[in-house]
Amino acid sequence: DTEVTQTPKHLVMGMTNKKSLKCEQHMGHRAMYWYKQKAKKPPELMFVYSYEKLSINESVPSRFSPECPNSSLLNLHLHALQPEDSALYLCASSQDGQGHQPQHFGDGTRLSIL
Amino acid sequence: QKEVEQNSGPLSVPEGAIASLNCTYSDRVSQSFFWYRQYSGKSPELIMSIYSNGDKEDGRFTAQLNKASQYVSLLIRDSQPSDSATYLCAVSSTGNQFYFGTGTSLTVIP
Repeated sequence: DTEVTQTPKHLVMGMTNKKSLKCEQHMGHRAMYWYKQKAKKPPELMFVYSYEKLSINESVPSRFSPECPNSSLLNLHLHALQPEDSALYLCASSQDGQGHQPQHFGDGTRLSIL
Repeated sequence: QKEVEQNSGPLSVPEGAIASLNCTYSDRVSQSFFWYRQYSGKSPELIMSIYSNGDKEDGRFTAQLNKASQYVSLLIRDSQPSDSATYLCAVSSTGNQFYFGTGTSLTVIP
């Protein structure tokens, strides 16, 4: 078990559906991240929130929409996804937003797009 | 483009041997270095952080950093079958972005 909690663990959705991935941490970390990981590839950064503000958006398609309601929560809203979006979606948090501290990952949400 | 390179492997070692994993990076101003272990189908798990030149030991794991050579390594002593996983090197310079290597697949043979 990790201190970063992601829900759901698995999600199957059609291309016209709208769903959300959720991430929660109670370590007092001030930076939170969304990554996408395909099989046998390293995690690919999508978004970074630092002190609840979006600081990095790695040219992610608009069908992915992040939200940070407070310092402990991070959501990823999904709409009109494509089959190639099927992947493991990882949330991570770190103590600061400066990159000096390690990132701690949740267990991930395995997403399948039909 | 900031690059982090690792040998993809697979690296196979017999049980009880030392496994040596290597990582090079391109950004000279990189300040923080991390090793993660990832089992198949699971999320990355932090093993070691290292920030200054030299060795850092934690149990069976030793991280080594040489900033002049832009090189960081991970040694696993007394390798166990449970160490079989993919090991990811991550490097951070300015800002809050990590750059991950492609990972090295390690298999420890009983």
